[in-house]
Amino acid sequence: DAGVIQSPRHEVTEMGQEVTLRCKPISGHDYLFWYRQTMMRGLELLIYFNNNVPIDDSGMPEDRFSAKMPNASFSTLKIQPSEPRDSAVYFCASSPPAGAGANVLTFGAGSRLTVL
Amino acid sequence: GENVEQHPSTLSVQEGDSAVIKCTYSDSASNYFPWYKQELGKRPQLIIDIRSNVGEKKDQRIAVTLNKTAKHFSLHITETQPEDSAVYFCAAAPGGYQKVTFGIGTKLQVIP
Repeated sequence: DAGVIQSPRHEVTEMGQEVTLRCKPISGHDYLFWYRQTMMRGLELLIYFNNNVPIDDSGMPEDRFSAKMPNASFSTLKIQPSEPRDSAVYFCASSPPAGAGANVLTFGAGSRLTVL
Repeated sequence: GENVEQHPSTLSVQEGDSAVIKCTYSDSASNYFPWYKQELGKRPQLIIDIRSNVGEKKDQRIAVTLNKTAKHFSLHITETQPEDSAVYFCAAAPGGYQKVTFGIGTKLQVIP
């Protein structure tokens, strides 16, 4: 397996524009997570899915953020409209079903977002 | 929800010395405690984890200890090498749930 695949790797946009980040989890992993990493706040969990269903979105900062998982192999995180304080590295991660490998996160390479 | 505190935020050691990073957690239901290493510009990667049915786990030069009564756990790296330089994150997750909460991270510098 190629691991967790994220795109784009880098995104530079202007304030007010829509940003869409994409993620393909590892095949067979039924949990998918979106984390945001900043110097000040570290790794923050934004939302996670189980079997394509959102389980906990309490970390989503505000209504400008939304996430979807239309099928087991694809998820998006959308920011509309974007603001400079959204600048961060956004990581997608996936983990196997409950069992011996439960909770073990495999991260993607991250999407570095810069909002001017 | 869970709150994980980690210290120190930065740590410099001489090559060959040991390094210790400590974390505390708040949710007594947590029973899974992983440690991730993140090299500059890279993704976090799991280096070792411990579940609440054991108090200590070792893998070559790294070891983790867990004290559930005190709600703290630690990472120990012995015989440090320059390639150990990275940011280390502790984390905790409650039993039966997949929600992993991370500490703020410790930047470890190993001086050759």
